[in-house]
Amino acid sequence: SQWGEENLQALSIQEGEDVTMNCSYKTYTTVVQWYRQKSGKGPAQLILIRSNEREKRSGRLRATLDTSSQSSSLSITGTLATDTAVYFCATEPGGYKVVFGSGTRLLVSP
Amino acid sequence: AQTIHQWPVAEIKAVGSPLSLGCTIKGKSSPNLYWYWQATGGTLQQLFYSITVGQVESVVQLNLSASRPKDDQFILSTEKLLLSHSGFYLCAWGSLDTSNSDYTFGSGTRLLVI
Repeated sequence: SQWGEENLQALSIQEGEDVTMNCSYKTYTTVVQWYRQKSGKGPAQLILIRSNEREKRSGRLRATLDTSSQSSSLSITGTLATDTAVYFCATEPGGYKVVFGSGTRLLVSP
Repeated sequence: AQTIHQWPVAEIKAVGSPLSLGCTIKGKSSPNLYWYWQATGGTLQQLFYSITVGQVESVVQLNLSASRPKDDQFILSTEKLLLSHSGFYLCAWGSLDTSNSDYTFGSGTRLLVI
């Protein structure tokens, strides 16, 4: 799992496999956002899940949120080589602040 | 469609020299604007945010300052660069509609301080 104080995690899988990345957060948040950042680019928002939602889907992506354990997950089904990137979760503790997790580096080999 | 443009794309600067990075957002009125810093291989650290012209709030102190001279422009600067300022600087805008947190990042400026 990832959080800001932890080192960047790394996962290496084969194309076609499913993968789940985890995120735990320490402070109250109304939303958890998941981002994908490809090498040398800015992050792109993938999915946003609100505190009153337990699950949200978008194409091959599925995000879950458990506010009681302050954790979220992002799953990708049928991964492609183009899913290779660093994935971040981010929370909003309030006051226009956004806190990013430490990230998970995903390598999908063809 | 909204576009976000950052300049320059990359910079190599000497320790102690000044720095100015810019960000312009088109197609969105009164956006919330943000500056982030990312060390190589690291996570994103929010530096500043601005919800209106002339108003900037600091999130962390890194010997940097920010200004918002126009509704669509956000500037990050310092008078004296440190080695620790090296990294990837990202500008982002977010929707004012608090029911939909929607952040869009620019393509970033890569800074190397030597």
